[in-house]
Amino acid sequence: KAGVTQTPRYLIKTRGQQVTLSCSPISGHRSVSWYQQTPGQGLQFLFEYFSETQRNKGNFPGRFSGRQFSNSRSEMNVSTLELGDSALYLCASSLTETYEQYFGPGTRLTVT
Amino acid sequence: AQTVTQSQPEMSVQEAETVTLSCTYDTSESDYYLFWYKQPPSRQMILVIRQEAYKQQNATENRFSVNFQKAAKSFSLKISDSQLGDAAMYFCAYRGNNNAGNMLTFGGGTRLMVKP
Repeated sequence: KAGVTQTPRYLIKTRGQQVTLSCSPISGHRSVSWYQQTPGQGLQFLFEYFSETQRNKGNFPGRFSGRQFSNSRSEMNVSTLELGDSALYLCASSLTETYEQYFGPGTRLTVT
Repeated sequence: AQTVTQSQPEMSVQEAETVTLSCTYDTSESDYYLFWYKQPPSRQMILVIRQEAYKQQNATENRFSVNFQKAAKSFSLKISDSQLGDAAMYFCAYRGNNNAGNMLTFGGGTRLMVKP
């Protein structure tokens, strides 16, 4: 079975721009979660989608949003990028909340 | 809110030796899950081991085992017969079981170095 895939792997954007990151979960997995990883703040939960509905949201500003499609693929969007949004964005998928989460390789976003 | 603390930013171990990584957490919930994840330099996060809070028996996975002390809210990871491939960042994570979905709360991580 193919693992969790994230595209693109690397991205460089300018302050003020917006960006969309994509995550394809493992086939059959219905839950997709997003995390931000930075050296200063560590790993922080952004949000989780399950069957196209946002089930949980972390403490991030409204500039961070996401969605999930009927095939469970998920996208997250960050608008009006700030320098502090530079981070590794990790996506994780699982069958349901009772199963382990499997992580993708991440997307490294650099905001200049 | 739940918090997870890893008090050892860095640890080193000699190849073939045993090392223990510490993790403490704070929660008011009685039912939850605890995990250890490994993140090698390649950055892909890999699940090492999981523990359900209602289980008294400590989880083991080959060379990896945990010491789960629910009353003390402690969840340490022991790696036996350390190998060079064990070098990585290790994260302790907590997930509640009260409509919390899949939200993981992570500790700050411990960088493990393995000396040949």
